[in-house]
Amino acid sequence: DGGITQSPKYLFRKEGQNVTLSCEQNLNHDAMYWYRQDPGQGLRLIYYSQIVNDFQKGDIAEGYSVSREKKESFPLTVTSAQKNPTAFYLCASSMWTGLNTGELFFGEGSRLTVL
Amino acid sequence: SQKIEQNSEALNIQEGKTATLTCNYTNYSPAYLQWYRQDPGRGPVFLLLIRENEKEKRKERLKVTFDTTLKQSLFHITASQPADSATYLCALDMRNYGQNFVFGPGTRLSVLP
Repeated sequence: DGGITQSPKYLFRKEGQNVTLSCEQNLNHDAMYWYRQDPGQGLRLIYYSQIVNDFQKGDIAEGYSVSREKKESFPLTVTSAQKNPTAFYLCASSMWTGLNTGELFFGEGSRLTVL
Repeated sequence: SQKIEQNSEALNIQEGKTATLTCNYTNYSPAYLQWYRQDPGRGPVFLLLIRENEKEKRKERLKVTFDTTLKQSLFHITASQPADSATYLCALDMRNYGQNFVFGPGTRLSVLP
């Protein structure tokens, strides 16, 4: 079945460690996104990518890094510079067309807890 | 920057009644407005999209309206069921303004049997 796969579902990190969250899609979508979700807040955009080998910062990019070496993959690294990394992370993909009618397809999320 | 408010953090209704959720935004109107459903611990799932030139859109028991004058969208679930209990997110597609999707905080709906 087509969809987005995120892993791991749960992740624990010690302070000072970098961690990488995986996101893979087989929907042949050009655009991929990483969002952070905290209780009581809307989804906040961390990074997005419209094409391979290109990505843009979102609203809260500080302390995070991404790569887009393949169309199917968009991993997110939470670095030690991120001051409050405990959150629910969501990866999404969409078509990116001039009509802008593509909805977002989300993965099941990764919950990161800093110990 | 665009801000979105959704009527209340939580909404409780009785089974069989119509649930009405509100999404208000502050600035310029998007070309498209979307509604998503999110269950606890899971990713959001797309439900409906409405364009700025559409007043109303329906899908089974769901209805969405879009009033660009009021800067508001209403999301209705008719004949609600306990299985409709979830958090519902409103999202503005701002890509034609060189931005991205902007999400509201969501409304947690509980349908009581």
